Amino acid sequence: QKEVEQNSGPLSVPEGAIASLNCTYSDRGSQSFFWYRQYSGKSPELIMSIYSNGDKEDGRFTAQLNKASQYVSLLIRDSQPSDSATYLCAVNVGGSNYKLTFGKGTLLTVNP
Amino acid sequence: DTAVSQTPKYLVTQMGNDKSIKCEQNLGHDTMYWYKQDSKKFLKIMFSYNNKELIINETVPNRFSPKSPDKAHLNLHINSLELGDSAVYFCASSRRGMKETQYFGPGTRLLVL
Repeated sequence: QKEVEQNSGPLSVPEGAIASLNCTYSDRGSQSFFWYRQYSGKSPELIMSIYSNGDKEDGRFTAQLNKASQYVSLLIRDSQPSDSATYLCAVNVGGSNYKLTFGKGTLLTVNP
Repeated sequence: DTAVSQTPKYLVTQMGNDKSIKCEQNLGHDTMYWYKQDSKKFLKIMFSYNNKELIINETVPNRFSPKSPDKAHLNLHINSLELGDSAVYFCASSRRGMKETQYFGPGTRLLVL
């Protein structure tokens, strides 16, 4: 069973702080990694994707990937109350069908 | 100019009924998906079609039957609905490929009474 693990939270941070979200995966053959944000009652939306080891930055968001440790993280700098949502880690384990396996999500609350 | 749309948005029905959910995408993608998100927010793949061909069929009761009349449409028919089928069902689409982003529809909230 190929698994993606996340702390369910809730993770609570004050406005302006750095929020750090973590994800581990079990399949060493995994090749693509995605972070989706899901507001309550809404559909998931992609915020970051990363495919190679290291950091990838996009505005206030930084994704970090370490394939040797089978670990991917998302940092949100200068957290805003509007960042309060569930963050879903998704991993594409490869193969011809490109199936995404999602973690159970981490609920982030940013307090004003 | 909605990218991925689903109908209906809400569905309340009795146990034992048969219901369908429709999905359409106007992104020109060749692959479409059905996901189920349970009350604990766990999002799990059910089916995927590529160019009308079924390519992913997870362990789902055979009461669930997807149908793809063309690349832009993927419908989900559910027979003999059970209480445990209550969930949010999301349709998604993408181009086929390792790095391709999946775009999700707004979801269909199904409540079986």
